[in-house]
Order: sequence, then C-alpha cells, then structure tokens
Amino acid sequence: GAVVSQHPSRVICKSGTSVKIECRSLDFQATTMFWYRQFPKQSLMLMATSNEGSKATYEQGVEKDKFLINHASLTLSTLTVTSAHPEDSSFYICSASGGTRRYEQYFGPGTRLTVT
Amino acid sequence: AQSVTQLDSQVPVFEEAPVELRCNYSSSVSVYLFWYVQYPNQGLQLLLKYLSGSTLVKGINGFEAEFNKSQTSFHLRKPSVHISDTAEYFCAVTLNQAGTALIFGKGTTLSVSS
Repeated sequence: GAVVSQHPSRVICKSGTSVKIECRSLDFQATTMFWYRQFPKQSLMLMATSNEGSKATYEQGVEKDKFLINHASLTLSTLTVTSAHPEDSSFYICSASGGTRRYEQYFGPGTRLTVT
Repeated sequence: AQSVTQLDSQVPVFEEAPVELRCNYSSSVSVYLFWYVQYPNQGLQLLLKYLSGSTLVKGINGFEAEFNKSQTSFHLRKPSVHISDTAEYFCAVTLNQAGTALIFGKGTTLSVSS
C-alpha cells in the first residue's frame, strides 16, 4: 500500500504555544488530505478536508482559526494547533488520497499531542 | 447522509477460532466500503475494500468481507484468528467519488486470547 508519514510522532508542549504537525505522502501525489482527531477508545473524528492549493473545508464545530491547515503541495499538508490548551491533547491522524489511489485513503501513523 | 454501525464494541475470542465483526451502513446513494485495523498508538492500516465487482473481497492477514447490498452489510470474517490479530477494527464508508471523506463506525475491539 501507499506510504504516508507524519512528524512528529509524539509532542509535548506548554499551554499557549503552537504546534505544527506534518503529513507527507511519500510515493504518490495526494490531491486530497484529511485530518482526523481520535480520543482514547473512540473512533476517528474528521476535522477537515484539504485539497492541494485550496483552502481547507472544516467540519462543523472545528475552529478554523485554532487548527490551521495548509496543503501547499501534492505531498505535504500541515496542521498547526495554535495557542494549544490541555483540551487539545489528542491523537491526530492524517490521511491522503489521489491519483490512482483517489478512491482510497492511506493513513499516517498519527501524532500524539500532549499539552501541559 | 451516510452512517456506519458496528454492532459489537468488543469481541473476545480464543486463538484459532473463527471470528466475524459486523458492520451495517446506511446510505441513499452508492458507497465504497472499507475495513481498517488500528494497533495501539498507531495509525490505521487498510485491511480490505469494496469498490465494485465481486461482493466477496479478500484482504490482508487472511481477512475477508462480503458486501450484501440488500442487508446493507459488510461483515468482516477470519476463519482462524491469531493473538497478533488483537486490535481495534473500524468499518468505514465513503461516497463513490474521489476526494470524499471516510465516515467511520465506532470500532470493534477484537481480543484474542490463548
């Protein structure tokens, strides 16, 4: 299957600071990338959908000014959690689709964010 | 709108026993169906998918699933499980058009013991 990486895999930051998470598709061009959030023992909640070169589409209830998403190239999307607070602590997972893989999504390994 | 129901939140089984994880979906339009597996603190790995064609799809690690349109189901099966199959399993649907998001079920925890 396709390879999607995320960096960092784990990050601890202080309340009020910003954190950037990168998502890269390593072996295909990802025209669409998705960002999900997962709470412990729960399913994935879609936060936003981003198409390369366009503004992200956020799901209802997700603050676009707090969770900044950039998808400037076909292989990279970033999620920046601005002014992070403890309630933002979660597991963030990205996925990518595109090209011959446009009907499927390939997931990154996830980023564990802990805000102290 | 589409929705996915995974009927069992937890499924405990013994090693080498068969297992079925149930998934039902709701949609007024055609969808694609997927099963993903998640190991602790990891991302999701695609087990198998149904896009079109044969309703019985085979995936990795010996898993298979059958698409049943009349019952709107996509149950996942394995004839003989291993300890290493212990994980969280998610059923998901998406519209049959490129670039649409997955809608996930709540997940089923498969626990395999010896």
